[in-house]
Amino acid sequence: ETGVTQSPTHLIKTRGQQVTLRCSSQSGHNTVSWYQQALGQGPQFIFQYYREEENGRGNFPPRFSGLQFPNYSSELNVNALELDDSALYLCASSPGLAEISYNEQFFGPGTRLTVL
Amino acid sequence: GENVEQHPSTLSVQEGDSAVIKCTYSDSASNYFPWYKQELGKGPQLIIDIRSNVGEKKDQRIAVTLNKTAKHFSLHITETQPEDSAVYFCAASKRGDKIIFGKGTRLHILP
Repeated sequence: ETGVTQSPTHLIKTRGQQVTLRCSSQSGHNTVSWYQQALGQGPQFIFQYYREEENGRGNFPPRFSGLQFPNYSSELNVNALELDDSALYLCASSPGLAEISYNEQFFGPGTRLTVL
Repeated sequence: GENVEQHPSTLSVQEGDSAVIKCTYSDSASNYFPWYKQELGKGPQLIIDIRSNVGEKKDQRIAVTLNKTAKHFSLHITETQPEDSAVYFCAASKRGDKIIFGKGTRLHILP
């Protein structure tokens, strides 16, 4: 069984640029959630995708957007990067919302984004 | 919305002693309480979880307890070892909803 993978591992961008982060979910999982983790803080929920549709969004502006593909892999896109966007971006997959009553999620290693 | 408070923010214990981390949550509809361990440069790893229909769960040296009435849940690590040093996060969730994390506890195991 393959776990959650993310790419790239590290990324450096400048303010105003755009970035795309990628995630492959664990085998058999159809739900992907994205989190932002600032240094010294807990992960903050960005949004969740279930069967290619957005299913819930946290308190993040519209310049944070995402996609989920038919194979359940996912992308996180951030436009007009700001210095405060520097963080570890985590992807988590779970078996699915309709199939389970408990939101068990498994995390990838994350992408460290630095905005200069 | 849900809010999860976690204490302490830092905890140092002698190797072999026990460590306890405590959390409270605000939303009585939450039914799932996972605990994650995060090592430097890695993503959070699910180490144990407890569901709202259970008061206690144990897995080798780690145990979790849940008090639904008081909205408290705790992580207990016994016979601590150097490899237990990490940041631990508690979290809460309800069906079909996002996971809300606490701010984390940095656990140091002293030799």
